Amino acid sequence: SQQGEEDPQALSIQEGENATMNCSYKTSINNLQWYRQNSGRGLVHLILIRSNEREKHSGRLRVTLDTSKKSSSLLITASRAADTASYFCATDARMGAQKLVFGQGTRLTINP
Amino acid sequence: DAGITQSPRHKVTETGTPVTLRCHQTENHRYMYWYRQDPGHGLRLIHYSYGVKDTDKGEVSDGYSVSRSKTEDFLLTLESATSSQTSVYFCAISRLGTEFNSGNTIYFGEGSWLTVV
Repeated sequence: SQQGEEDPQALSIQEGENATMNCSYKTSINNLQWYRQNSGRGLVHLILIRSNEREKHSGRLRVTLDTSKKSSSLLITASRAADTASYFCATDARMGAQKLVFGQGTRLTINP
Repeated sequence: DAGITQSPRHKVTETGTPVTLRCHQTENHRYMYWYRQDPGHGLRLIHYSYGVKDTDKGEVSDGYSVSRSKTEDFLLTLESATSSQTSVYFCAISRLGTEFNSGNTIYFGEGSWLTVV
């Protein structure tokens, strides 16, 4: 069964707007990560947030983590057409011995 | 670029035939993984390896076997391919963080598209 569930499944916005994607998970975690996948390609690591962190920034990316609600959000500010991709959250459950469990992803489309 | 090469990149095979997918890494990482990606299911872990000859099952291991006789190669075998194994297969390696709790960041290959007809 999936550990992480992204919401929404698909998101379409205009270039320049902000995009927010959410991830919920079920069990306690060490870390939560976000990955990006362009069509027909492998996943690329974007950012990692530790269980004792609440917010993290990387360029136009902002990730929050609420362990009490078992949820995380990824905000992409000032979106660009090149941000069009699928975005996945992944968790490494504390008993999960170096394994990441991925959600189903959010398909983000940025319209020019 | 994490130095991961998957082969073949595309394959069409018939039901009941054996298929082996190869993953090759150039950076001597200990952990390697095979995932499959399907619409509506996201990525699911098939098998993983934590060293030469050391492998373990993931959540969707039925119908698959793996082998790792060298650090750099991780093979995924479908002993008798079925149509339900039509999927995109991703190999990945793990670069463990050096700090405490810095996490297990995974780097993916470009995928192998397998169609079982």
